[in-house]
Amino acid sequence: DQQVKQNSPSLSVQEGRISILNCDYTNSMFDYFLWYKKYPAEGPTFLISISSIKDKNEDGRFTVFLNKSAKHLSLHIVPSQPGDSAVYFCAASAIDRGSTLGRLYFGRGTQLTVWP
Amino acid sequence: EAQVTQNPRYLITVTGKKLTVTCSQNMNHEYMSWYRQDPGLGLRQIYYSMNVEVTDKGDVPEGYKVSRKEKRNFPLILESPSPNQTSLYFCASSLGEPGESPLHFGNGTRLTVT
Repeated sequence: DQQVKQNSPSLSVQEGRISILNCDYTNSMFDYFLWYKKYPAEGPTFLISISSIKDKNEDGRFTVFLNKSAKHLSLHIVPSQPGDSAVYFCAASAIDRGSTLGRLYFGRGTQLTVWP
Repeated sequence: EAQVTQNPRYLITVTGKKLTVTCSQNMNHEYMSWYRQDPGLGLRQIYYSMNVEVTDKGDVPEGYKVSRKEKRNFPLILESPSPNQTSLYFCASSLGEPGESPLHFGNGTRLTVT
């Protein structure tokens, strides 16, 4: 039973436009959410995170929005660049909570392609 | 340079032949974990370790063993590999719990079991 879901396996966006990647989760105990980016032949790298006490976190071109009532988060990339083409993974964890201690749950990833 | 090092990068083996994938980090991180990535399934956690001598199962621990005798090393052991363990494996580490502290990943080990 997947607790973190990325329902779009792929997204194609023109350079300069906004990319919006979506993620849904089912466990209301999650209190930290992260996005990782993965290029081919490399390990994932951390991109941006948000805690459940916030609804927005921004870092340069990347902004993550969290809607706790909908159990939904999104990653916005503005403006999109060809170098952003990668697989993006959403992840969630519940800090210090019993059986989920130490667990980080990933979605299946979304392949973003930014074309010139 | 701060990094997580996995070896080997590529490994082809036969069913039943024991193998070990090594993982080492030089960042003095408390937490380490192993993931496998399969097409359409994303990253699934195999085992993790909150500290030395403490290990716990993730989502898909069957067929795998781990040990954490030293802080920096977290080897993944396949006692009797089977073809369904053909996958891309990633080791990762973080300073604290993996939600509060971002994971640092190795570059992966592509394992093929025939």
